[in-house]
Amino acid sequence: EDQVTQSPEALRLQEGESSSLNCSYTVSGLRGLFWYRQDPGKGPEFLFTLYSAGEEKEKERLKATLTKKESFLHITAPKPEDSATYLCAVQKIHTDKLIFGTGTRLQVFP
Amino acid sequence: EAGVVQSPRYKIIEKKQPVAFWCNPISGHNTLYWYRQNLGQGPELLIRYENEEAVDDSQLPKDRFSAERLKGVDSTLKIQPAELGDSAVYLCASTPGRGNTEAFFGQGTRLTVV
Repeated sequence: EDQVTQSPEALRLQEGESSSLNCSYTVSGLRGLFWYRQDPGKGPEFLFTLYSAGEEKEKERLKATLTKKESFLHITAPKPEDSATYLCAVQKIHTDKLIFGTGTRLQVFP
Repeated sequence: EAGVVQSPRYKIIEKKQPVAFWCNPISGHNTLYWYRQNLGQGPELLIRYENEEAVDDSQLPKDRFSAERLKGVDSTLKIQPAELGDSAVYLCASTPGRGNTEAFFGQGTRLTVV
């Protein structure tokens, strides 16, 4: 069965305290892995797509990496405005359907 | 450029009543999705359209849910009759075409069934 598991469920960081969010997946035929950011009361906002093991992508303080079984979202020197829920999703080959994890709720305190 | 527009933002109804949600995707986007997001969960796909054709509705509860996308532009999702368990956020998303990876989401409609 296709499954996406994110950990931790919640993470509290001090401003400037770097950390990583994990997304582990089991899927038959991975087409791509996606990271989204979701602020309260809003829809998910696209961050990254990763297609193959070893691939890395960066955007400001965020860096996403991918292995054959999991992806990490590294947050370097986070700021309070990085507080949000971060969602991971996988897309299978031959389908456009996104299978989402339950998300990691990040809070960054000044 | 306008993003994905959904209305209403919030809806409170009594159980057994009907409700409808509306979505206008980004101009030129052929693929449209309806997702449901329960509190503390990730979005789950209900239905996907390629233009006006529903190409994946396997997770749409067809006994009470229906959707349409006339003329391949805006779309309506309907629930009749609503149940308490239907309380959730209903999200609409669109992409330029099949296989395009970046889905743009609307702000969602928060439905509360009492």
